This record gives sequence, structure tokens and C-alpha cells, in this order.
Amino acid sequence: ILNVEQSPQSLHVQEGDSTNFTCSFPSSNFYALHWYRWETAKSPEALFVMTLNGDEKKKGRISATLNTKEGYSYLYIKGSQPEDSATYLCAFYLSYKLSFGAGTTVTVRA
Amino acid sequence: EPEVTQTPSHQVTQMGQEVILRCVPISNHLYFYWYRQILGQKVEFLVSFYNNEISEKSEIFDDQFSVERPDGSNFTLKIRSTKLEDSAMYFCARGGALALSTDTQYFGPGTRLTVL
Repeated sequence: ILNVEQSPQSLHVQEGDSTNFTCSFPSSNFYALHWYRWETAKSPEALFVMTLNGDEKKKGRISATLNTKEGYSYLYIKGSQPEDSATYLCAFYLSYKLSFGAGTTVTVRA
Repeated sequence: EPEVTQTPSHQVTQMGQEVILRCVPISNHLYFYWYRQILGQKVEFLVSFYNNEISEKSEIFDDQFSVERPDGSNFTLKIRSTKLEDSAMYFCARGGALALSTDTQYFGPGTRLTVL
């Protein structure tokens, strides 16, 4: 069983503030790390697929970094907006499947 | 990217009954996956499927579970005799043609299964 952990479990952010949270994963046999954004009653939405150590990806105000040697990835939200409220999932790819973390639930207060 | 859709959105069944969850429409020559999330727990991999064959399955995917493409397009997950612990949100996802680590898996909206 792969140990993919996310912290914190939840966080509340004031509109306009920036925030970040962590995904940790096994540092051996690394292939790829996937990030998803999941709003209630909707499909999990793919954000990033990260593969290389030092990789940095960006989509609008959301960005992510990757450290495969130490086994962690950060996801950043800059200038949070209410529409950023969602659960953010990371998933470690191995042997044709994704192993997910429990997610970080972000609530942005107006 | 094309959407993955699932039906029904919510299914309530009695323990011991068979249920079939559907994933529609499906393109050919792609990998497909079923995952589930029991309330309060992590999303878990169940099975991957390619070209009418299971390519990988988890410990959860025992003899009570099966997957198939009954009409060449729909992709179904069948649970033969449901248990209370099968209550979960079930997600269908589609990947690329080669199941590469870099292939994005596109998820459907899920079917919430409630076993009474």
C-alpha cells in the first residue's frame, strides 16, 4: 500500500490571501504525481501532471512544485477567490493506477 | 477533452442485490478505470481495463466485482451481491491509449451507491 499523505486536511483562507499545502509520497520508484481539484457534486478536475524533480507547473493562480528526491509536492493558490473552494487531491502513479491522498479541503471566505 | 459521464448519479439498493454502474459514452482504444471513495476515506483504485481485458486490479476487486463493455461502448462495473461496506462513491475514469504515467485520467462525476 502506497503512503500518500496530504496536509493540512483542511484550511480556511480569507479572500485575496495566498495559501499552500503539501502532498508527500514515496521517493523511490517515482513516475508521476497528479493533482486534481474536486468540487462537491462535480467530477475531479485534472490540474497538473508532474514528472521531473524541480518541476513547476502553473494554471492561472494555481501552481505546483515537485521534489522527487525528498518525496513532496506543494500546491500554491495565489490571491484566493471563493471559486477556489474545493478539495485538492494529489495522486501518485504506479503500475497503471493512481494512489490518492486524502485531500486538502480549502474554504475561501469572502 | 471529452467528458466521461456516469449513470445513475445515485443508486440505493438492498444488501445482497446486484448493481450495475455505467460509464458512458466511451471511446475505443483507451484505458478505463474504476475508483471508489468510501465516505471519509481516500479515493481507492479498483480496476483498470483495456481492449476488453482487465489490466490491473486491486485487492478490493474480488469475485463480487466484474467489469465489461456489453455493447462495445458502455463500460460497466457490476457488483454481484452488495454488502453494506460497498456503499461509496464510484468513479469511472478514462486515460490514454498506453496508460503512461503522464496520461491524465479524466474522471466522471461518480455514482453514489447506498446499500441498505
